[in-house]
Amino acid sequence: GAGVSQSPSNKVTEKGKDVELRCDPISGHTALYWYRQRLGQGLEFLIYFQGNSAPDKSGLPSDRFSAERTGESVSTLTIQRTQQEDSAVYLCASSLGNMNTEAFFGQGTRLTVV
Amino acid sequence: GESVGLHLPTLSVQEGDNSIINCAYSNSASDYFIWYKQESGKGPQFIIDIRSNMDKRQGQRVTVLLNKTVKHLSLQIAATQPGDSAVYFCAEPVKTSYDKVIFGPGTSLSVIP
Repeated sequence: GAGVSQSPSNKVTEKGKDVELRCDPISGHTALYWYRQRLGQGLEFLIYFQGNSAPDKSGLPSDRFSAERTGESVSTLTIQRTQQEDSAVYLCASSLGNMNTEAFFGQGTRLTVV
Repeated sequence: GESVGLHLPTLSVQEGDNSIINCAYSNSASDYFIWYKQESGKGPQFIIDIRSNMDKRQGQRVTVLLNKTVKHLSLQIAATQPGDSAVYFCAEPVKTSYDKVIFGPGTSLSVIP
């Protein structure tokens, strides 16, 4: 498709289980971001990939969170041993990689930990 | 600084009135800013951008004003409509060792019919 695609759109998981969220960026976009958005709140930066450079992981809240990106394509965000506080919408965005360009967002994955 | 999940400030506006949404940015060296609109259940979408060599930029029913002296941005929406109800974020690229985009905390706009 032409836009950023995220899957699944919704995920309900039991506390303590691991989850994997997927993001397919727009083709040709070298920059990829993951954000977390809790209900009624703003965007919380998690991690940033730019081309083949080392990612900026400064926003990851704990070592239970990790993300990978294959070249300049798909990215996966993994949350291990999920907690109820991890319940949120996880948004992925991609851009051309030049700072002065807009980021395009996916629809997000709504994660609910029960 | 980076948005850290603060509760969103809200703005209620009567349909047909003009809306003004404000944003303060942190880096005086920032030279490009973007406003995003996030409707319920969707990801943020680009509205309008402005470069630092401009004070004002107009789009369709929207105007962005940039005051570099006080590091302040505003988004003005003319003749606000119910479809404008959403959360609005300003964003600035941050030049560090990583060229990443930082979002402001956002403002929730509610249009009263």
